[in-house]
Amino acid sequence: GEDVEQSLFLSVREGDSSVINCTYTDSSSTYLYWYKQEPGAGLQLLTYIFSNMDMKQDQRLTVLLNKKDKHLSLRIADTQTGDSAIYFCAETQNTGGFKTIFGAGTRLFVKA
Amino acid sequence: DADVTQTPRNRITKTGKRIMLECSQTKGHDRMYWYRQDPGLGLRLIYYSFDVKDINKGEISDGYSVSRQAQAKFSLSLESAIPNQTALYFCATSDSGSGARDYTFGSGTRLTVV
Repeated sequence: GEDVEQSLFLSVREGDSSVINCTYTDSSSTYLYWYKQEPGAGLQLLTYIFSNMDMKQDQRLTVLLNKKDKHLSLRIADTQTGDSAIYFCAETQNTGGFKTIFGAGTRLFVKA
Repeated sequence: DADVTQTPRNRITKTGKRIMLECSQTKGHDRMYWYRQDPGLGLRLIYYSFDVKDINKGEISDGYSVSRQAQAKFSLSLESAIPNQTALYFCATSDSGSGARDYTFGSGTRLTVV
């Protein structure tokens, strides 16, 4: 299968941590990504992780990869109202052509 | 100027009309893509092109066609628009072999078919 699945909504209070989860099915995945989409805009790459890593940290963002369970998460520390957006998980599969599959997106609401 | 420019930004068209969405890029990327975004379904790939002479169908190509006029230009046509083609359409570009690490998306075209 080629599914990338994520929950559709997450609501947090300003200052709390947000954790957005994603599961994928293809074990040939090479890279996994988190993209952010703000209203009226296209997707922008937030961060990515290579499949042989289990963690990557970049300022307020922490990506955790559990390859055994095919689970990817994005943790945003000290969530701000400006973090309100849709977050897409994506994977690039090494199936004779490097195909990239996107999840449906998680809409993050940050309450002041 | 934006790296990936899509025109028009918004369009309302009638059922049965032919419509073209255009995409141009200044990234110098060789790969270009058309995606469709529907609420709850994420991004679905319509067509992609790895260079000017290469056109490939994505997962939902029925009812659409594309033209890669130059390395920098990739247009999407709806030959006879129908209401379930109402969606947000994104063009994206990338460099060879880099996966989605350098995907650059346009701002999208919101298409409504009435």
